Amino acid sequence: GAVVSQHPSWVICKSGTSVKIECRSLDFQATTMFWYRQFPKQSLMLMATSNEGSKATYEQGVEKDKFLINHASLTLSTLTVTSAHPEDSSFYICSARVTGGDRSGYTFGSGTRLTVV
Amino acid sequence: GDSVTQMEGPVTLSEEAFLTINCTYTATGYPSLFWYVQYPGEGLQLLLKATKADDKGSNKGFEATYRKETTSFHLEKGSVQVSDSAVYFCALSDRANTGKLIFGQGTTLQVKP
Repeated sequence: GAVVSQHPSWVICKSGTSVKIECRSLDFQATTMFWYRQFPKQSLMLMATSNEGSKATYEQGVEKDKFLINHASLTLSTLTVTSAHPEDSSFYICSARVTGGDRSGYTFGSGTRLTVV
Repeated sequence: GDSVTQMEGPVTLSEEAFLTINCTYTATGYPSLFWYVQYPGEGLQLLLKATKADDKGSNKGFEATYRKETTSFHLEKGSVQVSDSAVYFCALSDRANTGKLIFGQGTTLQVKP
């Protein structure tokens, strides 16, 4: 239980284009989702927290106009990398917090590997 | 601010060897502590967790004990297998309940047959 489905699992795009990554909670409602970025052989860095029905909260140093987050429903949050450049190439992972009961904790999507060429 | 420090890797062991991956933390209050595992090309999976001092989390032969006095949460396994090869992350979530997880830098474990 408490599954987050993330798509696509990998994407290659040209510089200057935009890419949308989706995360869906399949069997629970996620009022809050977290978006992380992971560079090769490094840890996960929190980019932003998305809240259903309100604006996302971005961590210091993360450009909100470049990484657009939308959390329009209790089961879907999206991250759009706008005008992507090669330095945006990274592994992006979403996470949702599950509250209450045996499933309480954090569940992660399987990640999206973005390569910008 | 809150932080997590893990021992640097990579850690290379032979099958059936004993594993310890050190993790220490700095936090205000009493955070919950987690170990996550990431297999190649995949997302993170929760391995185990502990929510208060002296709690022991365990799963799949892995164990970690929440030590408040030493602010540590070291991961151990008595006999590793090749299939345990992965990257292991120690993490904490703050008691302020923001829901944020703060990760250590990750430790790569390679188990050789």
